Amino acid sequence: DAGVTQSPTHLIKTRGQQVTLRCSPKSGHDTVSWYQQALGQGPQFIFQYYEEEERQRGNFPDRFSGHQFPNYSSELNVNALLLGDSALYLCASRTGAGNTIYFGEGSWLTVV
Amino acid sequence: GIQVEQSPPDLILQEGANSTLRCNFSDSVNNLQWFHQNPWGQLINLFYIPSGTKQNGRLSATTVATERYSLLYISSSQTTDSGVYFCAAPLNYGGSQGNLIFGKGTKLSVKP
Repeated sequence: DAGVTQSPTHLIKTRGQQVTLRCSPKSGHDTVSWYQQALGQGPQFIFQYYEEEERQRGNFPDRFSGHQFPNYSSELNVNALLLGDSALYLCASRTGAGNTIYFGEGSWLTVV
Repeated sequence: GIQVEQSPPDLILQEGANSTLRCNFSDSVNNLQWFHQNPWGQLINLFYIPSGTKQNGRLSATTVATERYSLLYISSSQTTDSGVYFCAAPLNYGGSQGNLIFGKGTKLSVKP
C-alpha cells in the first residue's frame, strides 16, 4: 500500500518563475492538504482540497493555487516565485472522516 | 486564532534517558496530534490524543484539555528518536482534522 507520494523531491527555480508540485494521496484517501515548512519552523497550512474543491485556505496569497483531480491526486502551483518561497512543501492526505493524517516526504523548493 | 507553543525548543539526551516534551495551546481544542519529523523531512503521526493518555511502546502522550496542554513522554531514548517533535491542533475548533496549526517543534538529539 503506497503512502502519500510527492514529486519532484528537489527543485531549483529562479525568482519570478512558476512551479507545480504534485501529490498522490494514500490509497483510500480523498482529502488532500498542502503545507509549507520554512527552515527551522513548523509546517504552515496552505489549503485543503476535497471533492475537487478548495475547502479551506490558510494565510497565503493568491500566488498559491491548487487543484484536485477526480482520482484525488492534487497539484500545488506557485506563481511569481519569491526568494521567501524557498521551503519544504508537504502534502498530507486522510479520509473525509478520518482523524489520522499521513504526510508525504515533501518537495524541497529552492528559489534563487 | 489558536496559538500552539512547545517547550523546550532544543533537547540533548544521552541514549537511555527519559524526557518530557510539552505543548501548550491557547484555546479549546477537540483534537491534538503529535508528530515526529526525521532528519530527511518525513513527518510521522505519533498520536491523535484530544484528551486522556495513550501509549505506544516507549512513547506515551497525555492531553489535559481543560488546562490546555499536552505532554509527550519518551522513555529509554534511542538515537533513532532524534529529530523534531511537533504538536498540532485544528485551525478552528471543530474544524477539519486535516487542517492543522503546528507549534515550532522540539528538536531532540539523542547521543550514543
